[in-house]
Amino acid sequence: QQPVQSPQAVILREGEDAVINCSSSKALYSVHWYRQKHGEAPVFLMILLKGGEQKGHEKISASFNEKKQQSSLYLTASQLSYSGTYFCGTEPNAGGTSYGKLTFGQGTILTVHP
Amino acid sequence: EAGVAQSPRYKIIEKRQSVAFWCNPISGHATLYWYQQILGQGPKLLIQFQNNGVVDDSQLPKDRFSAERLKGVDSTLKIQPAKLEDSAVYLCASSPRRLGTGGKNTEAFFGQGTRLTVV
Repeated sequence: QQPVQSPQAVILREGEDAVINCSSSKALYSVHWYRQKHGEAPVFLMILLKGGEQKGHEKISASFNEKKQQSSLYLTASQLSYSGTYFCGTEPNAGGTSYGKLTFGQGTILTVHP
Repeated sequence: EAGVAQSPRYKIIEKRQSVAFWCNPISGHATLYWYQQILGQGPKLLIQFQNNGVVDDSQLPKDRFSAERLKGVDSTLKIQPAKLEDSAVYLCASSPRRLGTGGKNTEAFFGQGTRLTVV
């Protein structure tokens, strides 16, 4: 089942912060975050496993709450280059292991203005 | 390191015609995915290969879509016959390791995609 992302869109000025949320109705093994710029391929940002927080890209970090089946992506001091559509991908938990399948959310459009 | 190569970049066909897309993954990547991305939506997995074997094709419309991965390297995705609702970007991605193996090296590297328009 597809995870739900919120908000659907956010507009920022350079230097502002943003949070994008990803929520699943299923227990999760991992959450993956990708960014896709207009007309380009999605680019991997980071993977989160079982409550771990992993800082993987520029000033972007994320958290994963297993119990709430949610993940949040934090973008601090945003730059123009952060503009794009952010997708979370969720990997369901099958009794401690993975079904080995990633389902993407509908995306959050982030626009950063000068 | 060369990225995932896909061709063609764009394709326009009439409904009921057939079309094929080609993908060359990153060298050494055992896992290969085909995704369908409809405008304004997230990528939807169509099929996943591990080497030349199919791991998951549960969302592949098998009455019209087919895919193969010869010798565990290049892959082709075919649609026959195409419908209007098949208009989308078809993304190929590869990964060093399959999902569920602990997270490390399971990230997907995507190609530029093929934009298909069915008229």
